[in-house]
Amino acid sequence: DAGVIQSPRHEVTEMGQEVTLRCKPISGHNSLFWYRQTMMRGLELLIYFNNNVPIDDSGMPEDRFSAKMPNASFSTLKIQPSEPRDSAVYFCASRPEPGRLYEQYFGPGTRLTVT
Amino acid sequence: AQKVTQAQTEISVVEKEDVTLDCVYETRDTTYYLFWYKQPPSGELVFLIRRNSFDEQNEISGRYSWNFQKSTSSFNFTITASQVVDSAVYFCALSEDSSASKIIFGSGTRLSIRP
Repeated sequence: DAGVIQSPRHEVTEMGQEVTLRCKPISGHNSLFWYRQTMMRGLELLIYFNNNVPIDDSGMPEDRFSAKMPNASFSTLKIQPSEPRDSAVYFCASRPEPGRLYEQYFGPGTRLTVT
Repeated sequence: AQKVTQAQTEISVVEKEDVTLDCVYETRDTTYYLFWYKQPPSGELVFLIRRNSFDEQNEISGRYSWNFQKSTSSFNFTITASQVVDSAVYFCALSEDSSASKIIFGSGTRLSIRP
């Protein structure tokens, strides 16, 4: 079975450019999570969705960051405009069912470098 | 406020040695969940265990064991007879919500197993 799929795996962009990270959750999973991992701040939850609806975006750093989930099989995390401090590994995770206790399954991550 | 502390930044042991990774947590809730995740060099986070606050029984899974002690707010992880494949970064994590959607991760312990 396919796990969580993230694309691209690596992204290098210049400051000021728009960046879009993509995630395909495991089929049948109804909760989706976006995380950011940096050396300074560790692993942080940015936002999560239940049944395509954003539930908690308190971890989104600022207005430059936005996330969408137009359908159950696709989500995007957009940074516009990007800044060097956004350089990090961004993980997407999915889980079978909202409101019930299941573990989160993580994707391989997207390593973003903003120069 | 919730917090997870992994005081050991890096540990290096020789193969076949036993090793314990420490985790201390802070929470004001009486109901919470504790986790351990493994992040191998490939980068993907792998779920190892979840424990709820009402279950203080220690758990053993093969060479892995976990010691949960509410009295000291600790949830330590021991690998017995370590192997090179155990080399990874290990994260302890905490969630206070009933569905464990918002997870707070510790800073991680990098474990290196030398042949």
